[in-house]
Amino acid sequence: GQQVMQIPQYQHVQEGEDFTTYCNSSTTLSNIQWYKQRPGGHPVFLIQLVKSGEVKKQKRLTFQFGEAKKNSSLHITATQTTDVGTYFCAGLRSGGFKTIFGAGTRLFVKA
Amino acid sequence: NAGVTQTPKFQVLKTGQSMTLQCAQDMNHEYMSWYRQDPGMGLRLIHYSVGAGITDQGEVPNGYNVSRSTTEDFPLRLLSAAPSQTSVYFCASSYSPVDRAKSEQYFGPGTRLTVT
Repeated sequence: GQQVMQIPQYQHVQEGEDFTTYCNSSTTLSNIQWYKQRPGGHPVFLIQLVKSGEVKKQKRLTFQFGEAKKNSSLHITATQTTDVGTYFCAGLRSGGFKTIFGAGTRLFVKA
Repeated sequence: NAGVTQTPKFQVLKTGQSMTLQCAQDMNHEYMSWYRQDPGMGLRLIHYSVGAGITDQGEVPNGYNVSRSTTEDFPLRLLSAAPSQTSVYFCASSYSPVDRAKSEQYFGPGTRLTVT
């Protein structure tokens, strides 16, 4: 079945350092979405990528979708303590209706 | 709009008991889904529905039943609870998972279930 692998599982950074999480799918994706979950909270939608090679930015966050539509990344520039939480990628398999989540990357930011 | 609501917030069951987790949305979304979240395993899809009367299995459907009699409601039933079903359960909805402009999923606050 479709699998979405996400690395790293955890990342500790000093405030001001950059952070990147990577997502890889075993199958071609129709789209990929990114969510953020604060400790004790529920996942909150950040962005969706649809096109091959697409790059989108939200302030300090940069999202990329690979040319083969099988991988994606989220990069945060100059992390802040408000960035703490778990970041999930979620992929929709081409031609399907199942959105499968990666295991998430938990970000810790030390002030 | 209340968005996606889930009840109860917390529940403790004994092995073998059954119960229903409630989920409702007031955004007229076609697509609804149930996920369970366990430490280190992210969100795993249990069941989903693309519209009233239509449901399908996700990654981990065993031990769970769903139905979708209305657009608004998507209850999850545990038939005979087992300790392996101890988890946090999230319900989510979106207008359509395949519509590029409307596939954002909105999540409910979750139900924390413990089976002893």
